[in-house]
Amino acid sequence: ELKVEQNPLFLSMQEGKNYTIYCNYSTTSDRLYWYRQDPGKSLESLFVLLSNGAVKQEGRLMASLDTKARLSTLHITAAVHDLSATYFCAVDRRSRGSQGNLIFGKGTKLSVKP
Amino acid sequence: EAQVTQNPRYLITVTGKKLTVTCSQNMNHEYMSWYRQDPGLGLRQIYYSMNVEVTDKGDVPEGYKVSRKEKRNFPLILESPSPNQTSLYFCASSLFPPGVTGELFFGEGSRLTVL
Repeated sequence: ELKVEQNPLFLSMQEGKNYTIYCNYSTTSDRLYWYRQDPGKSLESLFVLLSNGAVKQEGRLMASLDTKARLSTLHITAAVHDLSATYFCAVDRRSRGSQGNLIFGKGTKLSVKP
Repeated sequence: EAQVTQNPRYLITVTGKKLTVTCSQNMNHEYMSWYRQDPGLGLRQIYYSMNVEVTDKGDVPEGYKVSRKEKRNFPLILESPSPNQTSLYFCASSLFPPGVTGELFFGEGSRLTVL
């Protein structure tokens, strides 16, 4: 059974600090996605990682993918309050021969405090 | 404006009363999908569709039906809703299936309560 595990599930940070969210998965997928969800809102795509070693950056967020370790990280640099949200990673499960089945982690709720 | 539109956004219903949550996208996307979001469980896929007349079960399809008669619409049908289907539902679409570089565009969500 494919599992996607995020750590931590809750994260309280001070503004200006750095931190990393981890996403481990149990299949051999080479495609991983990060999404952001603000309270009471929908999900917004942040990063699409399509190969081993892929690294993408947007503002204070940087995502990377290590398919051999089955690990993706979302690194936050010098956090600001606007980054407070829940972050989800998702992995495409293709073991059934289909390319349409995304499995999401449970999400990491990030709170950035002054 | 490119968007995924769900209706209704909020619904309170009673056990056994059939209901349909509509989803429409205006981006000519081939792939569409339904998820439910529950506290502590994240998002779980209910059904997805790779194209018109092509649908497949996700991880939690029990109690739900879908159809894809047109490219833009992907309604979610609860034939006989039960309280354990109380949840926040999201429809999503992408140009290609997620496994082919497609990132998902999500609707605003439909909060369903079954009494």
